[in-house]
Amino acid sequence: DIVMTQSPLSLSVTPGEPASISCRSSQSLLDTFGRNYLDWYLQKPGQSPQLLIYWGSYRASGVPDRFSASGSGTDFTLKISRVEAEDVGVYFCMQSLQILYTFGQGTKLEIK
Amino acid sequence: QVQLVQSGAEVKRPGASVRVSCKASGYTFIDYYIHWLRQAPTQGFQWMGWINPANGETHYGQNFQGRVTMARDTSISTVYMELSGLRSDDTAVYYCARVLPYNDGNSNDLWGQGTLVTVSS
Repeated sequence: DIVMTQSPLSLSVTPGEPASISCRSSQSLLDTFGRNYLDWYLQKPGQSPQLLIYWGSYRASGVPDRFSASGSGTDFTLKISRVEAEDVGVYFCMQSLQILYTFGQGTKLEIK
Repeated sequence: QVQLVQSGAEVKRPGASVRVSCKASGYTFIDYYIHWLRQAPTQGFQWMGWINPANGETHYGQNFQGRVTMARDTSISTVYMELSGLRSDDTAVYYCARVLPYNDGNSNDLWGQGTLVTVSS
């Protein structure tokens, strides 16, 4: 199984300030067509997860452009350029390259 | 409205079975695979398996093989997940999620609201 490791596990950010979350996989998530099968999701308090990023860096429909992501192979980063109050929740990465999809532990973002 | 609506919370005894339903609406049911995942209290997500609503083909995660069964009823655009031999560590929120095709991202772009299953004697 591919092991996904996120850091940090918690983050406290002042509104308007940036935030960054790292996700590392135990194996490369790059397929033969050059696409990274790495997603980022946000689970807001009391809600189901919502897709933010797919293929490592592509924003899902309706996701604000303050969210961006980068990385390839085994190292990936999610960035929020200016955190807003509505961004609180748990962010987690998920690999979908191998059929047994696996997840990072989650990073809890709170507002200072 | 594009959505997945799951059945309500369940409380079960150890050793029992539970069936959770997931009704799709607002899109063509047979065009997208459905994943089942679960989130145990204070733990991360665990992928359980998928079902292809077009033909009923399934694939189960190794940790659940022999205990999980997924099925679908195309007449009512609903998929089902049944877990047997329940144990206390099966207590979790169970989610269904739509899967984008591999060439469109292979991501879970639409999630049900979750179903809490509590296993307790």
